[in-house]
Amino acid sequence: GAVVSQHPSRVICKSGTSVKIECRSLDFQATTMFWYRQFPKKSLMLMATSNEGSKATYEQGVEKDKFLINHASLTLSTLTVTSAHPEDSSFYICSASIPPGLAGTDTQYFGPGTRLTVL
Amino acid sequence: AQSVTQLGSHVSVSEGALVLLRCNYSSSVPPYLFWYVQYPNQGLQLLLKYTTGATLVKGINGFEAEFKKSETSFHLTKPSAHMSDAAEYFCAVSALGTGTASKLTFGTGTRLQVTL
Repeated sequence: GAVVSQHPSRVICKSGTSVKIECRSLDFQATTMFWYRQFPKKSLMLMATSNEGSKATYEQGVEKDKFLINHASLTLSTLTVTSAHPEDSSFYICSASIPPGLAGTDTQYFGPGTRLTVL
Repeated sequence: AQSVTQLGSHVSVSEGALVLLRCNYSSSVPPYLFWYVQYPNQGLQLLLKYTTGATLVKGINGFEAEFKKSETSFHLTKPSAHMSDAAEYFCAVSALGTGTASKLTFGTGTRLQVTL
């Protein structure tokens, strides 16, 4: 259980184009999903928190007009990188949160990531 | 605010040897702690988590971690390393976020190398 998928796994695009990345929770409903960015040999940087049916909450320094997030259903969130440039090249990872239930905290389950290369 | 420090960006052990990956945290509230593993070009897989109760937490693949409040630590151990354990390991602490879900703060990661 708790499987999260991402599509595509790898994408190469030209500078100036937009790219959409999908994140799906396959066997559970996720009220909240998260989007991270990971640079080579670095940790994960949280970009935004995506709540179903409402606007995403972006971390400080993340351009909301450049990284558009839509959480249209309880199993799908999308990240669109608009007018992509080479500096947007990175590994983008999403996670979906399962509520805590009777004890403790919610738990995030991660997708396999999407490698974006902007030429 | 929460923070996580992972001592040692790179750890190398022999196959069959003890694995010890260190994690110290800082939190103004009782923490929830996690260990995740990342294989090359993949997302993160949850190894184990501490929420409440027993301080020794057992996870998948033979890993375990012990929450020590007095030392603000949550070190990850495995008695005998296997070649397949070679990966990047991340310690994380959760904090309240928007809505009902908590945000994770990650450490910088420790790359585990297992040699023959």
